[in-house]
Amino acid sequence: DSGVTQTPKHLITATGQRVTLRCSPRSGDLSVYWYQQSLDQGLQFLIQYYNGEERAKGNILERFSAQQFPDLHSELNLSSLELGDSALYFCASSVAGDILAKNIQYFGAGTRLSVL
Amino acid sequence: AQKITQTQPGMFVQEKEAVTLDCTYDTSDQSYGLFWYKQPSSGEMIFLIYQGSYDEQNATEGRYSLNFQKARKSANLVISASQLGDSAMYFCAMREALNTDKLIFGTGTRLQVFP
Repeated sequence: DSGVTQTPKHLITATGQRVTLRCSPRSGDLSVYWYQQSLDQGLQFLIQYYNGEERAKGNILERFSAQQFPDLHSELNLSSLELGDSALYFCASSVAGDILAKNIQYFGAGTRLSVL
Repeated sequence: AQKITQTQPGMFVQEKEAVTLDCTYDTSDQSYGLFWYKQPSSGEMIFLIYQGSYDEQNATEGRYSLNFQKARKSANLVISASQLGDSAMYFCAMREALNTDKLIFGTGTRLQVFP
C-alpha cells in the first residue's frame, strides 16, 4: 500500500458528462501529480500541485482541470468527456516540490474511467 | 528532450531464475534520476528502485538491482530469484528535465514468470 488513496476505483459515464476524481496524498507529502495511462499514449504527466499551488503542467486538455485543497487532497475534473478520455488516471504524491534528484513519487491505485 | 526507451515488449523467465529488463535513456543533463515501477495486472504502480546519476554504486532493493552504465546511458533492472508474483508490467522512468519533477515513462516491458 503506497499510502496514496484514489477514489473512485472505477467510473463509467457517458460522452459529454463531467466527472471528478479524488486523491489523498501520503501523510506529509506536499506534492500531488496526476498522470493518464492509455493504450495509445502510454503514461503521460498531466499536472502537478505543490502545497496548493500549481507547479507544473503537462499535456492536459483544456477540458480538464485540477486543484489541491488546504488539506492537501486533490481533485481532477474532467468535463465534456469524449470516448478518447477513457483511461487509467493516476495520482502520485511526493514529499517535496523542490527539484530533488531523489524525489520519489508514490502512486495510488488509479481510477479507471470508461466513457461510453 | 529526455527520452526513455524500453525495447523488450515482453519477457519470459522461469521461477527462481534471474531476468534483466532493458532501459536506455537520452538526456543532456549531468544530474538526473532514473526510476523503475512495477504495474501488476491489478493496475497500481509500485515504486521499485531509484538510481541517481552521481551515485557511485548500483542501486539495490532486495531482489531488485539496477545495472547502471552511465556511458552507455542504460539503466537495466535485474530481478533475481524470480517469483510468480513478479509477473507484471515494468516501467523505466526519468524526470522530463532538470528543472521539473514530471516523470516521463518508457513503453514498458511485460514480464511473465512461469513455474
